[in-house]
Amino acid sequence: SQQGEEDPQALSIQEGENATMNCSYKTSINNLQWYRQNSGRGLVHLILIRSNEREKHSGRLRVTLDTSKKSSSLLITASRAADTASYFCALKTSYDKVIFGPGTSLSVIP
Amino acid sequence: EAQVTQNPRYLITVTGKKLTVTCSQNMNHEYMSWYRQDPGLGLRQIYYSMNVEVTDKGDVPEGYKVSRKEKRNFPLILESPSPNQTSLYFCASSLISGVYNEQFFGPGTRLTVL
Repeated sequence: SQQGEEDPQALSIQEGENATMNCSYKTSINNLQWYRQNSGRGLVHLILIRSNEREKHSGRLRVTLDTSKKSSSLLITASRAADTASYFCALKTSYDKVIFGPGTSLSVIP
Repeated sequence: EAQVTQNPRYLITVTGKKLTVTCSQNMNHEYMSWYRQDPGLGLRQIYYSMNVEVTDKGDVPEGYKVSRKEKRNFPLILESPSPNQTSLYFCASSLISGVYNEQFFGPGTRLTVL
């Protein structure tokens, strides 16, 4: 399967702690994106990292990409209750298809 | 306001009754796409379109049709819906299909096929 695979499937942390989610994939990619989805709602784009980039920051988000290991990680620092959501990695392949992983469900406990 | 709209938001129908879910974006985006989301499976791409009159199959195109006659609209057609098409559907668009392709998602359409 070319699908991205997030790890862990579910994560529960205390407010203020850091949350780390990982995404592994098998196919060649042009870029990798992370999205957030609040329950039953549309996805919201968080950050895009290109295949020639290794790290990217946006506010409390830090994304890394290791193309040799075909993996990416999303770090959310100083988590808040409002960060409770599902997080998906999405791979854009060279065929312009987009492949999403099954997601990591994050619960941040106040 | 820049947005992707979908209609209807909720739909309950019966097996075999043709239906169309509309999708429209007001951002002049070239790339549009349909996904379905099922528990434990994440989002799976059904069809995508690089521009007007250009459509391609995603990973799960069986049982669906699309058309792209205008840049802003990308309807999803189920000619003969079946219960296994019960799902949450999302339409998305992005500026271009190149490297910079943050996708903007619609609010979703929850479809139940009885």
